[in-house]
Amino acid sequence: EVQLVQSGAEVKKPGESLRISCKASGYSFTSYWIGWVRQMPGKGLEWMGIIYPRDSETRYSPSFEGQVIISADKSISTAFLHWSGLKASDTAMYYCVKVYGGTYYLLDGWGQGTLVTVSS
Amino acid sequence: DIVMTQSPDSLTVSLGERATISCESSQTVLYSSNNKNHLAWYQQKPGHPPKLLISWASTRESGVPDRFSGSGSGTDFTLTISNLQAEDVAVYYCQQYFVTPGTFGQGTKVEIK
Repeated sequence: EVQLVQSGAEVKKPGESLRISCKASGYSFTSYWIGWVRQMPGKGLEWMGIIYPRDSETRYSPSFEGQVIISADKSISTAFLHWSGLKASDTAMYYCVKVYGGTYYLLDGWGQGTLVTVSS
Repeated sequence: DIVMTQSPDSLTVSLGERATISCESSQTVLYSSNNKNHLAWYQQKPGHPPKLLISWASTRESGVPDRFSGSGSGTDFTLTISNLQAEDVAVYYCQQYFVTPGTFGQGTKVEIK
């Protein structure tokens, strides 16, 4: 069974950096793309980007390119989402997602979500 | 970006009745090479992450009850929940996975009357 277990909720100040994590299990981590989806409070879903852990190739939504960095450590089957300077508008729930094989955007596994709150 | 538009935004249906949600894409999501529609439906129950219900416009995921069905092709798609149950209360999203960046509809909230 695919499991994606995310790190806990974070409260940060504007300008701070942050890295959240997602540990995958139940499938071959290096054989499937894994990525992140944002859900702002009371809003819909936004595909942010993905990484292929085998070679660390990344693909980003134009809306998020340059705003976040997605990385992965295949030795511990974990994906990461990193901000270098948080803004209040980054306040959202972030879901780790596993991508269905052969596609880039069909999401067949979801983590429980990490709530990020950015407030002064 | 391909824009996905769902209707209605919310829906109130009696137990045992049918709920129908429409999803329209601003461009075709039918890939002519394999004749497959790159369209998925997700269910998000309150306080939970989304869950993939249907892929390729009409293929139910394993374990999804057969009261959920998807149809349509090209730019117009429908999710039908027949015999609505209390546990189907959720927000439903369509998503195109044809081109970057895999855009979602705005969601349709289904409630019980």
